[in-house]
Amino acid sequence: SQKIEQNSEALNIQEGKTATLTCNYTNYSPAYLQWYRQDPGRGPVFLLLIRENEKEKRKERLKVTFDTTLKQSLFHITASQPADSATYLCALDPDTGRRALTFGSGTRLQVQP
Amino acid sequence: GAGVSQSPSNKVTEKGKDVELRCDPISGHTALYWYRQSLGQGLEFLIYFQGNSAPDKSGLPSDRFSAERTGGSVSTLTIQRTQQEDSAVYLCASSYGTYNEQFFGPGTRLTVL
Repeated sequence: SQKIEQNSEALNIQEGKTATLTCNYTNYSPAYLQWYRQDPGRGPVFLLLIRENEKEKRKERLKVTFDTTLKQSLFHITASQPADSATYLCALDPDTGRRALTFGSGTRLQVQP
Repeated sequence: GAGVSQSPSNKVTEKGKDVELRCDPISGHTALYWYRQSLGQGLEFLIYFQGNSAPDKSGLPSDRFSAERTGGSVSTLTIQRTQQEDSAVYLCASSYGTYNEQFFGPGTRLTVL
């Protein structure tokens, strides 16, 4: 069956450290993958998109990698800050003819000051 | 410019009643999506509109759910004969084209008593 897996356990890190979140998928062949941030009581906010032919994408303190062989994307936040505390969702195009993203359940990041 | 807006922000209803949820997408966005998010869960795709094409209804959980998009802009999601399991946050998103970042509204929190 098709699955997108993100670590359901919260990730707690110290301010200034690098946070690394994982998104694994099974039985998909996505052309691209997106990462979103969601704060409590709000809708998700787009962060980054990476295509299948791109290994890495950066935006300020954010970096995303996409390994189509491992079927995995890693999302990194360097020099993390308490304001980075949120839930991070990965999403991919399901390549099933459905033209809407399929989302993982998200990983909650807590950055301690 | 204005983002995606949704109304109402909260809706409490009794089991068996019908509800209508409204979404105003960003002007000029051709794609509109409805998702559902239960507590602590990821986003569940419901329905997708793209321009004048027939909507992709493959995510609607039952025939009690329907949606329309008038004039390529405002969309209404209708749930008939609501059940307690319909309680969730209903999120609307729009995008410029299919494979671009999605802009989410704040969601409507539906509680069915």
